[in-house]
Amino acid sequence: QVQLQASGPGLVKPSGTLSLTCGVSGGSIISSNWWNWVRQPPGKGLEWIGEIYPRGDTNYNPSLQSRVTISLDKSKNQFSLKLSSVAAADTGVYYCARVRRVQDSRLGFDYWSQGTLVTVSS
Amino acid sequence: SYELTQPPSVSVSPGQTAIITCSGDELGDKYACWYQHKPGQSPVMVIYHDRERPSGVPERFSGSNSGNTATLTISGTQAMDEADYYCQAWDSSAAVFGGGTKLTVL
Repeated sequence: QVQLQASGPGLVKPSGTLSLTCGVSGGSIISSNWWNWVRQPPGKGLEWIGEIYPRGDTNYNPSLQSRVTISLDKSKNQFSLKLSSVAAADTGVYYCARVRRVQDSRLGFDYWSQGTLVTVSS
Repeated sequence: SYELTQPPSVSVSPGQTAIITCSGDELGDKYACWYQHKPGQSPVMVIYHDRERPSGVPERFSGSNSGNTATLTISGTQAMDEADYYCQAWDSSAAVFGGGTKLTVL
């Protein structure tokens, strides 16, 4: 059973960088799956942030692309999110999630971490 | 950018059938997924590849996708099904979520 654990600071100052890490257990991060970040602002819906594939390929939400970096640490079986120049609009619950890949097809977000609340405030 | 549109809310009586729609340009040419999200919990995938149910998801959940509309159907809706439901698809390599539908069972 794959489990994901998101962790990181719960408070980030405006104009700073939000940094979160997602630890993966019960499976290898170098398996043929996509590793994602999704967030939910207060009172709003889910928003996809971006994803990374084990060989290093990344895809980002066009609306966030200039501020987002997702990286992967194979030795620690974890992947990370950095979001720069944050503002109050970046406040929300952040999730890491796995998208299962089968024969070049994405089967959906099948495993999710618990949500971690990040507040952008001075 | 690609958009998926859902009704903000749907109400259903216990035991009846709930239908939640998701509209997007030529959505039927893409695969749609559906997620159930309850307050304080992580989202749970209930449908992938338009109509496939992950292991452990009750048979009362079913999906379809054709033309510009994907549909999630919950037959014999139970009180425990009350939640927010999100459709999701990929546009090229970007995941897109619908705005979400609050399902009320009353």
